[in-house]
Amino acid sequence: KNEVEQSPQNLTAQEGEFITINCSYSVGISALHWLQQHPGGGIVSLFMLSSGKKKHGRLIATINIQEKHSSLHITASHPRDSAVYICAFTNAGGTSYGKLTFGQGTILTVHP
Amino acid sequence: SAVISQKPSRDICQRGTSLTIQCQVDSQVTMMFWYRQQPGQSLTLIATANQGSEATYESGFVIDKFPISRPNLTFSTLTVSNMSPEDSSIYLCSVVYMNTEAFFGQGTRLTVV
Repeated sequence: KNEVEQSPQNLTAQEGEFITINCSYSVGISALHWLQQHPGGGIVSLFMLSSGKKKHGRLIATINIQEKHSSLHITASHPRDSAVYICAFTNAGGTSYGKLTFGQGTILTVHP
Repeated sequence: SAVISQKPSRDICQRGTSLTIQCQVDSQVTMMFWYRQQPGQSLTLIATANQGSEATYESGFVIDKFPISRPNLTFSTLTVSNMSPEDSSIYLCSVVYMNTEAFFGQGTRLTVV
């Protein structure tokens, strides 16, 4: 079993819809990251969370440490949000701070 | 924040040859990470590049195939040696500062023919 599972793997939405992507993990973590990857391959960090909730523009990320679960929400989705969204975590403890373990990604397509 | 300049952005290489990928960070960082993303897959860690010591490789990756240099705290290279079509992937470098988000290079899209 993977240490991090994302759902759904593929998501299609109409412009304006509210979108939720889920991430569950099975180990103790130091922080959880939400990342966005565009078709060219470049990756941009959206959020880093260790507790609670963060908001940036139309994006909201939440994490429940006890349930080992995080969600990424996009309000009023737009075609430019089409990308692959990846959750990743850094392990609690250890010496390689910054080493990320990645989920398999969610391919989001938003149609006009 | 950090800005990472990664080159080349893409290359098409003949099998049996080697390609060196460079990452330059605009601030000092202790550890840099090299990842591979095979087509349709998520990212997998190749190795952790430490300044002043040998890189630490993950299971399934060896130094002879993926030699890494880390001459200072802002620069690292990854070489993909004796390439085969199975090495066709996106390669990315990354840094994470304590209590901050992760930063990535732009990625190198490698095609081996």
